[in-house]
Amino acid sequence: NAGVTQTPKFRVLKTGQSMTLLCAQDMNHEYMYWYRQDPGMGLRLIHYSVGEGTTAKGEVPDGYNVSRLKKQNFLLGLESAAPSQTSVYFCASSYRGTGETEAFFGQGTRLTVV
Amino acid sequence: AQTVTQSQPEMSVQEAETVTLSCTYDTSESDYYLFWYKQPPSRQMILVIRQEAYKQQNATENRFSVNFQKAAKSFSLKISDSQLGDAAMYFCAYRRGSQGNLIFGKGTKLSVKP
Repeated sequence: NAGVTQTPKFRVLKTGQSMTLLCAQDMNHEYMYWYRQDPGMGLRLIHYSVGEGTTAKGEVPDGYNVSRLKKQNFLLGLESAAPSQTSVYFCASSYRGTGETEAFFGQGTRLTVV
Repeated sequence: AQTVTQSQPEMSVQEAETVTLSCTYDTSESDYYLFWYKQPPSRQMILVIRQEAYKQQNATENRFSVNFQKAAKSFSLKISDSQLGDAAMYFCAYRRGSQGNLIFGKGTKLSVKP
């Protein structure tokens, strides 16, 4: 099993450019999440999804959009990138149900906006 | 809103010694779950240990154990017989109930001295 796979692993964008980060999981998880990690800030939730066709805002949603057209995929879009969006982005997924179930993480995407 | 606080930005331990990482959280919920994640330089997020709030017994995974003090809302991680491979960022995380999102602390960077 591949688990959670993020594409791409690294990207450099110019201010104002757009891009989409792809997250794919092969564990049939209902829940999927996008986090950003900044130095000294831990991981902060951007958007999440509790099932196919549903999305919801997290702690820091501004400047990002998401879509979950298929259960196994969760896309994170930046319509007009800003230097403040320079960060490491993590996708995660988990089963619905028992809260003790861990979240499985992708390997992260390092995004630099210049 | 729930919060997770890790008061030690950095910690250091001698190889083979024991170290304890602190975590406190704030919640009014009775049903929740706590986790410790490890993030080595590879950036991968790895689950170290989990604790269900309804269980009084502290969780243990080999050299890793927790001291869960529910009334004090404290969830510390003890690493025994520290190894060089334990050097990493450690994140404490909270999940409300069976469907809540993971809320992370800001992390503790652990160094292991040979």
